Amino acid sequence: GDSVTQMEGPVTLSEEAFLTINCTYTATGYPSLFWYVQYPGEGLQLLLKATKADDKGSNKGFEATYRKETTSFHLEKGSVQVSDSAVYFCALFSGGSNYKLTFGKGTLLTVNP
Amino acid sequence: KAGVTQTPRYLIKTRGQQVTLSCSPISGHRSVSWYQQTPGQGLQFLFEYFSETQRNKGNFPGRFSGRQFSNSRSEMNVSTLELGDSALYLCASSLGHRNPSTDTQYFGPGTRLTVL
Repeated sequence: GDSVTQMEGPVTLSEEAFLTINCTYTATGYPSLFWYVQYPGEGLQLLLKATKADDKGSNKGFEATYRKETTSFHLEKGSVQVSDSAVYFCALFSGGSNYKLTFGKGTLLTVNP
Repeated sequence: KAGVTQTPRYLIKTRGQQVTLSCSPISGHRSVSWYQQTPGQGLQFLFEYFSETQRNKGNFPGRFSGRQFSNSRSEMNVSTLELGDSALYLCASSLGHRNPSTDTQYFGPGTRLTVL
């Protein structure tokens, strides 16, 4: 079945540091891939998505590229801010009869000033 | 466009009681999915409804049920509450397309259920 493996956290960075959160997946067919972000006490917000191989999703300075050959969708940001502190979830959606999102376990990011 | 709304935001119940949570999807969205989030198990899929029909169900006991109305609003019900049901319950709405490249799920703020 579908599965997502995300790097274990927590991740602690200083402001303006470079961020990478690794995500790899297993899926049948051609899933769409997502990054969601959850701020304390809130629901999930869609951060970015990619729907096919070699697509790059981007939003608010975050980027992730859909790599089919390595089954990966790593999240990157060149310069993090304190306001980026949150939990980040990688997810995939295969559609079809398996209409559900499959999530990784989440990575807690803390950015210090 | 208004986002996904969930009510209530917080609930405190005791073991053995039942609870009903409500979700109103984004206007024009016909699919509503429910997820349970706990520190130990992470985000787990409960079920998905499209046009008032349950299309997919996760691995949860029969105490967890749901329904969808003709206006796409959805409710989920948990009967005979257990301590382990304490969680954040998240609702997501989407167009309901089975093609993964054309659909995206948008989440509400969640309902925090505490079972004492």
